[in-house]
Formats: sequence, structure tokens, C-alpha cells
Amino acid sequence: AQSVTQPDIHITVSEGASLELRCNYSYGATPYLFWYVQSPGQGLQLLLKYFSGDTLVQGIKGFEAEFKRSQSSFNLRKPSVHWSDAAEYFCAVGLPPGSGNTGKLIFGQGTTLQVKP
Amino acid sequence: DADVTQTPRNRITKTGKRIMLECSQTKGHDRMYWYRQDPGLGLRLIYYSFDVKDINKGEISDGYSVSRQAQAKFSLSLESAIPNQTALYFCATSAGAGGLNEQFFGPGTRLTVL
Repeated sequence: AQSVTQPDIHITVSEGASLELRCNYSYGATPYLFWYVQSPGQGLQLLLKYFSGDTLVQGIKGFEAEFKRSQSSFNLRKPSVHWSDAAEYFCAVGLPPGSGNTGKLIFGQGTTLQVKP
Repeated sequence: DADVTQTPRNRITKTGKRIMLECSQTKGHDRMYWYRQDPGLGLRLIYYSFDVKDINKGEISDGYSVSRQAQAKFSLSLESAIPNQTALYFCATSAGAGGLNEQFFGPGTRLTVL
């Protein structure tokens, strides 16, 4: 069965520091990969997605993620964190067409980012 | 106006009460989903619907039911609410098979069962 693991429940970084949030997935082939952000009191907003092609994906708000097939990972990065980035971040996987694609997403447990002034 | 709306945004109820959470969307998507979010558990799928006549159970459907009244409306019901159904509930939508699974979320309903 497919699964998604976000090893870090909480991360605290100083404003201006770099950020990396980890995501590992379990699936026999390359799934569709997503990062969502949930700001306090808000719904989930898509940051970026990977379907195929270039393994470094650019998203909104200055975020990027790199797909590494050999490590089954899709880590999210930002070179300089802003206080407004404090939120909860979710990694998710979906199945490509032709592999029982039902449109469902499987979410990781989430990582809460705290930003210190 | 928001593409995916949920009502109510907050609800406090008592054990044993019947509760309905509503979701409406203006995105024209066929697929709609209900999730619950609990701290440390991420989002878990309750029910999903691929069109008005297609309803499917997710991983945690016990104690819940749904109704797809129209393409744009998908309601979640708790027939007899219990305290462990206290959670944040999200509705989401996605396009059909060509939509590549990207989902669009509503703002959530915070439900407290006393």
C-alpha cells in the first residue's frame, strides 16, 4: 500500500535561515507528488507538484522541491524563511493514470514550522 | 467568492446529535472529497465521490454518511455524533481523470462534540 512519511513533526528555524522539510513515500513506481501548506485557520493551499520531467520543481512563495527516485523522497526547501511561512506543511502522493488512479491523495502526517524572529 | 465553501465553519454539539456539514464548489469539478484532520495524523479520507451517482468509502467512513445532491454539493453527516469525532473537517474537489489529482480545499469546519 502507498504511504507517506514526514519524519519531522515540528521544526523551528530562525527568520532568514534556510529550510528543508522531509518527505518519503512508499510506492512501486513514481507517483504524483504534492506539497500543501495550511496556514492557521485556513484550508490547504497547493505549493507545488511533481508529475514527471525535471526533478527540481519550483512552486509559489519561493518554495522548491526535489524528487529523488533513488531515495523515494520529495523534500521541500526554501533558501530564506520569512515569518509568514509559519504554518503546517503536508506532503501527499497520488497515483498516475493507468495504475488504478482514483484521484485520491495520501497525505503525510504534517510538519509544523515555527519561525523565530 | 471562494471556489470551495464549507458551512458551518465552527460547530459545537453534544453526543448523540445528528450533524450535517455542507460543501459547495463553483469550480465545476466532478470529484469531491471529505477529509478529517487530527493533530499528528494528517488528513484522512472519509468519503469521496466521482460524480453524482458515485459514492465511495474512504479509510475512515464508520460513523459517517454522505450525500451528493448535485455536482456542486457534497454533504457529510454524523448520524449520532461522538466525542472522538471532534476534528477539523475539510472538503476538497478535483477535476476528472485528466486532473492529475490536484485537489482544491475548502476552509474547513471545526467540529467539537461534547
